[in-house]
Amino acid sequence: QKEVEQNSGPLSVPEGAIASLNCTYSDRGSQSFFWYRQYSGKSPELIMFIYSNGDKEDGRFTAQLNKASQYVSLLIRDSQPSDSATYLCAAINQAGTALIFGKGTTLSVSS
Amino acid sequence: GAVVSQHPSRVICKSGTSVKIECRSLDFQATTMFWYRQFPKQSLMLMATSNEGSKATYEQGVEKDKFLINHASLTLSTLTVTSAHPEDSSFYICSARDVGGGSYNSPLHFGNGTRLTVT
Repeated sequence: QKEVEQNSGPLSVPEGAIASLNCTYSDRGSQSFFWYRQYSGKSPELIMFIYSNGDKEDGRFTAQLNKASQYVSLLIRDSQPSDSATYLCAAINQAGTALIFGKGTTLSVSS
Repeated sequence: GAVVSQHPSRVICKSGTSVKIECRSLDFQATTMFWYRQFPKQSLMLMATSNEGSKATYEQGVEKDKFLINHASLTLSTLTVTSAHPEDSSFYICSARDVGGGSYNSPLHFGNGTRLTVT
């Protein structure tokens, strides 16, 4: 079973700080990677995806991918209390047929 | 953006009964839909891949006779939990990919989920 690993946290940061969320994956054939945010009792919502090595920025969010190290990260700048949620890292398998999720990292932003 | 509608959002049923959950893609066609299950404080676990016009593909350990999947059209997939038991109580979430965006880069769009409680 191909795996996606995340530190479950909780990760606690003060309001305005940068939150750094990390993820590793075992399937070297994975092509694309996704970050989802999930509030308690709700379905995941897509934050951003990345498929090329390097950084991808979207507003306060930056995704980073290093395929050689099989490592994906998400940076949240100027963290807000509303960012408090569980962040799920996911990878599409090599066949492009399924999305494999990590267990998620719980982020808590204190005001 | 693409929307996936899931119904019902919450259902309580008695042990031994069957429950049907519907998943619809509202503004795109989905030849493939995915059914996930999430237990409290756990991640999403892929149960099965629903294929329009053919049999679903089940993940290891998921009973195909218990979790019946029917992908009747390009916009509708249903999951029926047969003879439900308390251990089937979970959060069931369907998802679909708008393949118009390309297979590798298209994100999954999720329904709002169904909270199933079996008493």
